[in-house]
Amino acid sequence: EIVLTQSPGTLSLSPGERATLSCRASQSVNSMYLAWYQQKPGQAPRLLIYVTSTRATGIPDRFSGSGSGTDFTLTISRLEPEDSAVYYCQHYGSSPLTFGGGTKVEI
Amino acid sequence: QMNLVESGGGVVQPGRSLRLSCAASGLTFSTSAMHWVRQAPGKGLEWVASIWYDGSHESYADSLKGRFTISRDNSNNMLYLQMNSLRAEDTAVYYCARFSSFVSAFDYWGQGVLVTVSS
Repeated sequence: EIVLTQSPGTLSLSPGERATLSCRASQSVNSMYLAWYQQKPGQAPRLLIYVTSTRATGIPDRFSGSGSGTDFTLTISRLEPEDSAVYYCQHYGSSPLTFGGGTKVEI
Repeated sequence: QMNLVESGGGVVQPGRSLRLSCAASGLTFSTSAMHWVRQAPGKGLEWVASIWYDGSHESYADSLKGRFTISRDNSNNMLYLQMNSLRAEDTAVYYCARFSSFVSAFDYWGQGVLVTVSS
């Protein structure tokens, strides 16, 4: 099983600042199968990024993804108040499908 | 667009069974791989089970094998999760989600249904 470790656990920043979220895999993964989700309280997760760096439909360009091998990053370039949420990385490609533990972004 | 609506949640005693349903509308359900993902209160996301578009193959989280069964009815656009021998640690919000092979990710999610296992 591929374990995804996200850091930091919580990120407290101000509007307009840059957020850098890390997702580290326990072994090298195919970047075709790495995605990021945003979840706000009381809501279902929403797909942000797929195939490591492609924004999903309707996602603002302040969200970007990068990485390869075992290290992946979600960057929010200019934080908006509505970006307060928990962010999860997810890997697909080997069983079982796994999620990271999440990073909470507080603004 | 795809709309997913879960139902069947509630409070159940340990050791009992419950069946969750997920009604799909919009995009063609019968060509979509479907999954269940759960989230314990205050915790992260945990993959539960998946089923191929035609129901020919199922996969389960190792910790759940033998207790949970995923199934689907493509003629009625329905996804199911039969949960047996429920335990307190199964308490969670259960989401059904469509897995898109095009983006290799979950592109549509239901709103979730709460299952509470308690005596």
